[in-house]
Amino acid sequence: DTAVSQTPKYLVTQMGNDKSIKCEQNLGHDTMYWYKQDSKKFLKIMFSYNNKELIINETVPNRFSPKSPDKAHLNLHINSLELGDSAVYFCASSQEGGPAKLFFGEGSRLTVL
Amino acid sequence: GQQVMQIPQYQHVQEGEDFTTYCNSSTTLSNIQWYKQRPGGHPVFLIQLVKSGEVKKQKRLTFQFGEAKKNSSLHITATQTTDVGTYFCAGPSGGSNYKLTFGKGTLLTVNP
Repeated sequence: DTAVSQTPKYLVTQMGNDKSIKCEQNLGHDTMYWYKQDSKKFLKIMFSYNNKELIINETVPNRFSPKSPDKAHLNLHINSLELGDSAVYFCASSQEGGPAKLFFGEGSRLTVL
Repeated sequence: GQQVMQIPQYQHVQEGEDFTTYCNSSTTLSNIQWYKQRPGGHPVFLIQLVKSGEVKKQKRLTFQFGEAKKNSSLHITATQTTDVGTYFCAGPSGGSNYKLTFGKGTLLTVNP
């Protein structure tokens, strides 16, 4: 069983389109995250939800909108895609309490043409 | 804001040689974590260090947390081709255990 699963794994789309990435975790964790990894492998946090409540919202364009329907799911919707949005987006989860040891999904590679 | 710097950016070794990557934070850290990302893969948690001066070992990997809790290192003894990947350190920032700032990683390649 995959602990943190993301779909789709690959996404190729045109500039200006809207797309969504979905994430689910079966670890029973309370906190979920979206990280962006650029072409230079730099990992940067975007958002974090704890029990469906947004707790971290980094300086991310408001074209990016996360949604957590329940604590096991965290989705990311991106409007009006731009070339610079091309990256690998990783979902992660962690248990509440104590330092956050992250469990990452396999990533969703987004390519904007 | 807090910065986590990691060196070297790249390291190429012959199989059997040792490897070390270093991590430095601009602020004191409550803890530091290390992750490994294989090429084309996702980051996988390796270890967490909490105490000042802490040293932990995992087989050929040795992790250290500095006395001032501002630096850390990962040392691999006698590298193998399975060690190939990018090694990241990460520390909490903004006073939150949930917000991890990652170093830029060290890409290790091993020549068989």
